[in-house]
Amino acid sequence: QKEVEQNSGPLSVPEGAIASLNCTYSDRGSQSFFWYRQYSGKSPELIMFIYSNGDKEDGRFTAQLNKASQYVSLLIRDSQPSDSATYLCAVTHGSARQLTFGSGTQLTVLP
Amino acid sequence: DAGVIQSPRHEVTEMGQEVTLRCKPISGHDYLFWYRQTMMRGLELLIYFNNNVPIDDSGMPEDRFSAKMPNASFSTLKIQPSEPRDSAVYFCASRGAGISYEQYFGPGTRLTVT
Repeated sequence: QKEVEQNSGPLSVPEGAIASLNCTYSDRGSQSFFWYRQYSGKSPELIMFIYSNGDKEDGRFTAQLNKASQYVSLLIRDSQPSDSATYLCAVTHGSARQLTFGSGTQLTVLP
Repeated sequence: DAGVIQSPRHEVTEMGQEVTLRCKPISGHDYLFWYRQTMMRGLELLIYFNNNVPIDDSGMPEDRFSAKMPNASFSTLKIQPSEPRDSAVYFCASRGAGISYEQYFGPGTRLTVT
């Protein structure tokens, strides 16, 4: 079983809608959780990280963490065409807290 | 502040040739990670260093791959001999000593082996 699972997508939402991206992980010892955005042909770019249960908001982005359910999500409010990208979920594991990445969810925001 | 720097950005080579990818981490960061990204396998961790010392190379696919970090500002990933299945985008990322463990990625090297 893959350690980090993301809804496979692709996901399409209209401009202005809320995009919801989901991720589950298998290692209960994971402590920190990250969302990266990757535009086509570019490198992953850190959007947000969260390590406490609950919600963390940053502008139009909200990360949600539920450690009991081993679930982390990213909400993008007022989605814009510029949000169209692949979103990678990553969780820490191991003694050095290295990252394991999910396979990503491709998001398209339709004008 | 400069981010992670990688070179070359693109590399096209023939099967059997040696390929060397280079990375300069963010100044002050003490962890350096090498990843490979393909459509089939996603983003895979190959090896990582802490304070220039290789810690875990279990992700290196085979002996054809090797990595070094001779000092805090430079690392190389070498493939010898290269094969077509090595074609991928190779990313270098670095991380500081903060408690949140976030990594910052370089622009990547797109490798094509023909």
